[in-house]
Amino acid sequence: EVQLVESGGGLVKPGESLRLSCAASGFTFSTHSMNWVRQAPGKGLEWVSSISSTSSTTYYADSVRGRFTISRDNAKKSLYLRMRSLRAEDTAVYYCARDFAYGIDVWGQGTTVTVSS
Amino acid sequence: QSVLTQPPSVSAAPGQKVSISCSGSSSNIGNNYVSWYQQFPGTAPKLLIYDNNKRPSGIPDRFSGSKSGTSATLGITGLQSGDEADYYCGTWDSSLSAGWVFGGGTKLTVL
Repeated sequence: EVQLVESGGGLVKPGESLRLSCAASGFTFSTHSMNWVRQAPGKGLEWVSSISSTSSTTYYADSVRGRFTISRDNAKKSLYLRMRSLRAEDTAVYYCARDFAYGIDVWGQGTTVTVSS
Repeated sequence: QSVLTQPPSVSAAPGQKVSISCSGSSSNIGNNYVSWYQQFPGTAPKLLIYDNNKRPSGIPDRFSGSKSGTSATLGITGLQSGDEADYYCGTWDSSLSAGWVFGGGTKLTVL
């Protein structure tokens, strides 16, 4: 079964850091670009970051550029998101998601990040 | 404010057809493929349409997608109560701040 499982979410204070992980299974992880997409409470989907299959190219939303870092370990079939200088507006469910053709076809169940003092 | 514009809500009766629009620009919809996602409360989004009009396996042909210029449309025929959900369009934006962009979402109510 194709599956993505996120972990690492939690409650942090403004200015603190957090690292999210995503474990992939059931497919050849190393051949797919991967993404992080978030959804604030009661809001729509917001793309956060993407990384190519070989890590050669990364992209970031303007709202997180310079604070978040996406990375992957193909040997471990894992995707990561290092988040620094967290703000209240970063509070959201963070989804790990797989690129397929010109769509995102596999989504994890999400991990919740809450930034509050 | 989302880069792609969708109506906040649409509604129709069971068995009827509904269309959900998604408007963008030349840097996104105009030059890239569009995908559509269905999301039920408390769950992850699900891919309904990719490459403008292709359905992943398991998605019924009641769901269809089309694109013209800088706009796209999701069509749902034979509406069922189980179709009541939020629907999002998405595409790659090739501007200086390249990345995925999504519409604000459309809440479908089956009357």
